[in-house]
Amino acid sequence: DAGVIQSPRHEVTEMGQEVTLRCKPISGHNSLFWYRQTMMRGLELLIYFNNNVPIDDSGMPEDRFSAKMPNASFSTLKIQPSEPRDSAVYFCASRAGSTDTQYFGPGTRLTVL
Amino acid sequence: DAKTTQPPSMDCAEGRAANLPCNHSTISGNEYVYWYRQIHSQGPQYIIHGLKNNETNEMASLIITEDRKSSTLILPHATLRDTAVYYCIAQRYGQNFVFGPGTRLSVLP
Repeated sequence: DAGVIQSPRHEVTEMGQEVTLRCKPISGHNSLFWYRQTMMRGLELLIYFNNNVPIDDSGMPEDRFSAKMPNASFSTLKIQPSEPRDSAVYFCASRAGSTDTQYFGPGTRLTVL
Repeated sequence: DAKTTQPPSMDCAEGRAANLPCNHSTISGNEYVYWYRQIHSQGPQYIIHGLKNNETNEMASLIITEDRKSSTLILPHATLRDTAVYYCIAQRYGQNFVFGPGTRLSVLP
């Protein structure tokens, strides 16, 4: 069975450009999480969805970041406009309703020049 | 959620057991202990979790002290592929994970 799928795996863009990261959770999982990892701050939760509804977005850094989950099998994290300090690895994770165990995707390494 | 404390780094000889400690002295009765690991450049990987009893699966064993204030993750026969950062997390069911800095385990040939 496929795990969490993220695309692209690597993204290099210039400051000011829009960036869209994509995630496909494990089939049947009803919670989805977006994390960001940097050397300075470690692994941080940005936002999570339950049954496609955003539950907690308190970790979203600022208005430049937005996340959507239009259906149970797809989510996006968008940064507009991007800045060099957004450079990080962004992970998506999903979870089944009956457990707290989260399963992580391989991540998207974002570099903003 | 309870805060956990882990040593920043540990070494282990290949083939030997790796014992990774975690202190969670303020853990409450309804908080689980979760262990994840992150191999370089990959997403965190679930290892094991428990509440009170010791747990074992195909990857590792989790030993939780009777007072639940600390736990140990045991990799019985460490291999070079077990080199990773190991995270210990204490959380209530339904709450989100808070990842600390973890323990960087180096398995040496």
